[in-house]
Amino acid sequence: GDSVTQMEGPVTLSEEAFLTINCTYTATGYPSLFWYVQYPGEGLQLLLKATKADDKGSNKGFEATYRKETTSFHLEKGSVQVSDSAVYFCALTPLYGGSQGNLIFGKGTKLSVKP
Amino acid sequence: DAGVTQSPTHLIKTRGQQVTLRCSPKSGHDTVSWYQQALGQGPQFIFQYYEEEERQRGNFPDRFSGHQFPNYSSELNVNALLLGDSALYLCASIRTGLAGGGSYNEQFFGPGTRLTVL
Repeated sequence: GDSVTQMEGPVTLSEEAFLTINCTYTATGYPSLFWYVQYPGEGLQLLLKATKADDKGSNKGFEATYRKETTSFHLEKGSVQVSDSAVYFCALTPLYGGSQGNLIFGKGTKLSVKP
Repeated sequence: DAGVTQSPTHLIKTRGQQVTLRCSPKSGHDTVSWYQQALGQGPQFIFQYYEEEERQRGNFPDRFSGHQFPNYSSELNVNALLLGDSALYLCASIRTGLAGGGSYNEQFFGPGTRLTVL
């Protein structure tokens, strides 16, 4: 079945460092891909998305490109801040006749950014 | 515009009991999905409701059941609670119906209900 694999954490970086969190997926058809973020004590927030191959999602300085040839959707940010400390989840949803299927999540990567 | 709301925020139950969790979707949304997030794990899909019917279901036992009301709000019921049911239960709402041609309507998540089973 469909699945998402993301790099295990925790990841600890210094402020202004470059961030990469790897994500690969297995899916039939043409899934949509997402990165969600979960701040301590809060629910999930959509960070960015891409709905077709070669699309680049971006938000708040984060970027990820939908690479169908490598089945990847790696999250990157050029300069992290302490406020980026959170757990990041890669996810996909298959599309069924144009309606949204369920989200399938990776296990999450905890990011800690030190000042 | 209120987002997705869930109640209660926290809940403590004992093994064998039954629990009901509630979710109100974002205004204009007609579809509700439920997820279970165990500590340190990613959320896992339980089921999705649309037009008051269960449309999709994940790999969860029949102890997990749900309902959607005409106003699109939803309940998640869990019977015969086990220790392993302790988790954060997330509700997400979507506006289905307008999607077509591969377009995507975002799922919005509520803050969750933290269930502890003792």
